[in-house]
Amino acid sequence: DQQVKQNSPSLSVQEGRISILNCDYTNSMFDYFLWYKKYPAEGPTFLISISSIKDKNEDGRFTVFLNKSAKHLSLHIVPSQPGDSAVYFCAAYSGGGADGLTFGKGTHLIIQP
Amino acid sequence: NAGVTQTPKFQVLKTGQSMTLQCAQDMNHNSMYWYRQDPGMGLRLIYYSASEGTTDKGEVPNGYNVSRLNKREFSLRLESAAPSQTSVYFCASSERKQPQHFGDGTRLSIL
Repeated sequence: DQQVKQNSPSLSVQEGRISILNCDYTNSMFDYFLWYKKYPAEGPTFLISISSIKDKNEDGRFTVFLNKSAKHLSLHIVPSQPGDSAVYFCAAYSGGGADGLTFGKGTHLIIQP
Repeated sequence: NAGVTQTPKFQVLKTGQSMTLQCAQDMNHNSMYWYRQDPGMGLRLIYYSASEGTTDKGEVPNGYNVSRLNKREFSLRLESAAPSQTSVYFCASSERKQPQHFGDGTRLSIL
């Protein structure tokens, strides 16, 4: 049973436009959410995170929104750039925090010139 | 600024062989983790170590053992490799409830 779901395996966006990547979760014990970016043959790289006590966190071109009642978060990238083409993973920590991250399956973002 | 270093980067094994994947971090983190990633899947937690001297099972621990050798090093051992263990293995480290830093992975094929 998948506790973190990324329902779009891929997403294509034009350069300069907004990219919106979505993530849903089922476990109410999740209280800290992270987005990772991954290039082929490399490890995931941390992008941005949000605690469950917030509903928005912003870092440069990246903004993460959390809707706790809907158990939904999204990552906005504005403006999208060619270097943003990668696989993006949504991940979550549960309340204990010491037992690792639970990951979604990822969304492959393709930025078209 | 090495971060998390994994060795080897690639390995091919025959069914039944054993091997140890090595991981070292230089960020003085207390927690270390081993994940595997299969095609079309997210990363799944195999084992973790919340601090030096402790290890615990994650979501998919069967067929693996781990050793937290010291604060820097956390190894993953396959005692008798099976084709189902063909995967990309990632090691990570962090402080508790903080973003994890990942190595670049070990690509393991078992024939």
